[in-house]
Amino acid sequence: GQNIDQPTEMTATEGAIVQINCTYQTSGFNGLFWYQQHAGEAPTFLSYNVLDGLEEKGRFSSFLSRSKGYSYLLLKELQMKDSASYLCAGLDSNYQLIWGAGTKLIIKP
Amino acid sequence: GAVVSQHPSWVICKSGTSVKIECRSLDFQATTMFWYRQFPKQSLMLMATSNEGSKATYEQGVEKDKFLINHASLTLSTLTVTSAHPEDSSFYICSASDSGKDSYNEQFFGPGTRLTVL
Repeated sequence: GQNIDQPTEMTATEGAIVQINCTYQTSGFNGLFWYQQHAGEAPTFLSYNVLDGLEEKGRFSSFLSRSKGYSYLLLKELQMKDSASYLCAGLDSNYQLIWGAGTKLIIKP
Repeated sequence: GAVVSQHPSWVICKSGTSVKIECRSLDFQATTMFWYRQFPKQSLMLMATSNEGSKATYEQGVEKDKFLINHASLTLSTLTVTSAHPEDSSFYICSASDSGKDSYNEQFFGPGTRLTVL
């Protein structure tokens, strides 16, 4: 079956760095997405990886290892507004997104 | 980025009534629209995928007679929850894409509709 695993909740301190891990099992693989979702709002796109390696975009970076079925989202210089859920989603061979349950990130001052 | 709107943002209705939710792509033509449901503290659950001018494809376990989807134009899709019951209370999110069957283009999400059935 297809599955996306990520931690349910993480806590970090303002100004620090946090890494949110995601492991995936999909039928075929066409890429890995990270989305940010604030409570009561729709997800917003953060990153897309299809090749191995690290993609950096400002304070956020995303890493992919296809051989390990593993990705992480790295958030630097955390701000209070980064408190949100972070959703990992894999794109399978049918170009369908398989969603993880999301990681709720709590930022403390 | 492309903009997708949903209407209404919030709806409260009595059990047994029907509710229609609209999803519009404002600045691009959406060949494909997706409808998701999200319960509190859970992930997005894909309900159905609709392509303009054809019948929607429903995910396993989603009742197509209860959740009616119409994608009549390249900029509008509607989801009608028929005879809503309290267990249908959820956050409904649509997304739109100009993907084809053999490709993937980014999905742009609407702001969501919070449905509460009393």
